Amino acid sequence: DAKTTQPPSMDCAEGRAANLPCNHSTISGNEYVYWYRQIHSQGPQYIIHGLKNNETNEMASLIITEDRKSSTLILPHATLRDTAVYYCIAALYNNNDMRFGAGTRLTVKP
Amino acid sequence: DTAVSQTPKYLVTQMGNDKSIKCEQNLGHDTMYWYKQDSKKFLKIMFSYNNKELIINETVPNRFSPKSPDKAHLNLHINSLELGDSAVYFCASSLTGTGMYEQYFGPGTRLTVT
Repeated sequence: DAKTTQPPSMDCAEGRAANLPCNHSTISGNEYVYWYRQIHSQGPQYIIHGLKNNETNEMASLIITEDRKSSTLILPHATLRDTAVYYCIAALYNNNDMRFGAGTRLTVKP
Repeated sequence: DTAVSQTPKYLVTQMGNDKSIKCEQNLGHDTMYWYKQDSKKFLKIMFSYNNKELIINETVPNRFSPKSPDKAHLNLHINSLELGDSAVYFCASSLTGTGMYEQYFGPGTRLTVT
């Protein structure tokens, strides 16, 4: 699986958009980009995934560059409850072998 | 209804003991996993079971053994517990081969070995 690189931490003001970057320059053609988050000590929660097209769901948007070497997770209106560690993972579609890195600790501030 | 449940939530035990952590999912998924999250917060996959067959076995000590009585359950047995086994253990499940991509995680079991 491709290795991903994320900034260790980011801050965001409540109500503003949170843009979390991820670098996956060695991603292969059949690997998807998945995003999960872990709030405090809870189990990780799936957010969104994509292959090469931009994706949007009720939680977030995923923007993948045309060369697929990087992506950005966008939380359009961050709330305090979005404070969590966000993990970007490159893995095959059946995601049986998810490799979690250190992630980005997002802190949403009032 | 709880999708993925684990018992117990907390487990404190002494070195050398044998313990089990239970996991159940009511989502009809066909693949279940065990992850370990250590004190540095790194989340590492330990095992994956698909239709009662082990398909991932990371380099974990053979003191750890997953046991799946049926598709809805994947229990983790740990023999001769060591201090380094202290961590939070997460169970997860997913449905493979149908285009669904999410892994659903349980709430975790915090194991403390003294």
